[in-house]
Amino acid sequence: DTGVSQDPRHKITKRGQNVTFRCDPISEHNRLYWYRQTLGQGPEFLTYFQNEAQLEKSRLLSDRFSAERPKGSFSTLEIQRTEQGDSAMYLCASSSRTSGGPVSYEQYFGPGTRLTVT
Amino acid sequence: AQKITQTQPGMFVQEKEAVTLDCTYDTSDQSYGLFWYKQPSSGEMIFLIYQGSYDEQNATEGRYSLNFQKARKSANLVISASQLGDSAMYFCAMRERRFDSGNTPLVFGKGTRLSVIA
Repeated sequence: DTGVSQDPRHKITKRGQNVTFRCDPISEHNRLYWYRQTLGQGPEFLTYFQNEAQLEKSRLLSDRFSAERPKGSFSTLEIQRTEQGDSAMYLCASSSRTSGGPVSYEQYFGPGTRLTVT
Repeated sequence: AQKITQTQPGMFVQEKEAVTLDCTYDTSDQSYGLFWYKQPSSGEMIFLIYQGSYDEQNATEGRYSLNFQKARKSANLVISASQLGDSAMYFCAMRERRFDSGNTPLVFGKGTRLSVIA
């Protein structure tokens, strides 16, 4: 049973560098979500996809953040010119769009990528 | 916009006792879904239980049950027979429906840290 995977699990980078994170969703899931979680807070929604279409990106924190899902399978989240305030856990989740009963709304989360900007 | 409030930053419970984690929500939608997730120190978000706004009965899932009081807009999580492995952060969340009618991103509360004492 392969769940959502994220790579890398940890990333340490210097301020001003670009970083890219990868998320591989559960294979049959067509929706993919990115969240950011800072210390002591709940996850905060950033963007999401249905297949390769990005349905919402207004919540991306600045124009330094971008995400894509070119073939409707894995997704990447890129942060350009990183700042110390970008240090956080970046979580990816996937789900099916909608079908059947309430359990279909469940989002399955990956282990996250912890970013530290020095 | 939807909002989730968790007023207990931390809770302690004796092993084998029951504990209630509070969650209140704010939404103007008539149809909505509420979730509880567990986040151990490893960081992964684990789905626990779901309650739909039109569900007539409170949701239950093993040792987890949801005390849903729609008029009070509360969805408290009850964990029975606590175990040491239940020590974790617990997040209440709601689907943010305004993007589309499908499986939309989640809005999370700030979480409650539960510590189970032997």
